[in-house]
Amino acid sequence: NAGVTQTPKFQVLKTGQSMTLQCAQDMNHNSMYWYRQDPGMGLRLIYYSASEGTTDKGEVPNGYNVSRLNKREFSLRLESAAPSQTSVYFCASRNPGQVPEQFFGPGTRLTVL
Amino acid sequence: AQSVAQPEDQVNVAEGNPLTVKCTYSVSGNPYLFWYVQYPNRGLQFLLKYITGDNLVKGSYGFEAEFNKSQTSFHLKKPSALVSDSALYFCAVRDGIGYSTLTFGKGTMLLVSP
Repeated sequence: NAGVTQTPKFQVLKTGQSMTLQCAQDMNHNSMYWYRQDPGMGLRLIYYSASEGTTDKGEVPNGYNVSRLNKREFSLRLESAAPSQTSVYFCASRNPGQVPEQFFGPGTRLTVL
Repeated sequence: AQSVAQPEDQVNVAEGNPLTVKCTYSVSGNPYLFWYVQYPNRGLQFLLKYITGDNLVKGSYGFEAEFNKSQTSFHLKKPSALVSDSALYFCAVRDGIGYSTLTFGKGTMLLVSP
């Protein structure tokens, strides 16, 4: 099992450009999450999907959109990137009711110039 | 609302000495508590969790954590630190009732010197 995979690993954007971060998990988990990590801020939840077909805002959703494409895939889209969105983005998944801990992908390091 | 506090930005310890990384939490119901570790340029790895039962929880790489309900704490400990334990450690909490998301602390950098 690959676990949680994320693409790309690195990305540089100019202000105003758009992009989609991809996340996939092969553990048959129901719930998926997108976080951003900034120095001294810990991890902050952007959006999550409790189950296929549902998405909800987290702590810092402004400037982002998400799509739960199917049970395996959960993408994060920046429609018009801003320098404040420079961060490391992590995707995670878990299976409610069985194991409560989340499993994390390796991250995407995004720089917006 | 739920919250987590990690009062130390950095903890320094010599190899072979015991280590403690502190965490306090606040939830409205019964807490589910977690510790994760992040090595440089890597994702977060699960270390251990407290759901219910014994207050002393053992996890990966020789780490353990003690749940203290009266002090609302869940400190991470290891009897003898290794240089390879140097990493960023995150405490996280969620409400044990119903569906809830995780709230992470800001992280504590552990530096173990040879």
